Amino acid sequence: SQTIHQWPATLVQPVGSPLSLECTVEGTSNPNLYWYRQAAGRGLQLLFYSVGIGQISSEVPQNLSASRPQDRQFILSSKKLLLSDSGFYLCAWSLMGATYEQYFGPGTRLTVT
Amino acid sequence: AQSVTQLGSHVSVSEGALVLLRCNYSSSVPPYLFWYVQYPNQGLQLLLKYTTGATLVKGINGFEAEFKKSETSFHLTKPSAHMSDAAEYFCAVRLSGGYQKVTFGTGTKLQVIP
Repeated sequence: SQTIHQWPATLVQPVGSPLSLECTVEGTSNPNLYWYRQAAGRGLQLLFYSVGIGQISSEVPQNLSASRPQDRQFILSSKKLLLSDSGFYLCAWSLMGATYEQYFGPGTRLTVT
Repeated sequence: AQSVTQLGSHVSVSEGALVLLRCNYSSSVPPYLFWYVQYPNQGLQLLLKYTTGATLVKGINGFEAEFKKSETSFHLTKPSAHMSDAAEYFCAVRLSGGYQKVTFGTGTKLQVIP
């Protein structure tokens, strides 16, 4: 069966520090991968999605970036964190094809101080 | 483009009462529709989905939803609320035609009163 992992589970970082969040998927090949941010009371905001290695689509211009160095690995990064980057970050995967639902990881709670 | 509107950011029901969470969508092409549930500090879990075929879909934990094209709605229901149903629920829409993105509603927090 397929599983999705995210780490770390929680993170507290000072403003201006770098960020690296990692997501890996097991048990499937060539998935679509997604990064979402969930801020209190604002639902899910799609940040990036990827349909293959090295293929990243950005939905929101900001100081975050994403990379997909391997088929089942998706990384969210920042060179300098802002206070507004605080939130709950969720990684998700789906099979190719519009009918397929997304499966979510456990999330990373990021607090920027 | 597509969008999702969830009416009511907070809904309270008594244990054993009917649960009704409302979702309306806007889509330029036939949509695929989903309901997810999120417990505190966890990821989202799929409850049910509509793609094609039967408009009444059944999901996990006794939930079901009906796709009504004429009303552009996909409301989530459960006949009898249980304390364990207390969570946040998200409606989502995805366009047909190979489009990869999903648009989520802003969520409805369900409180179950004993």
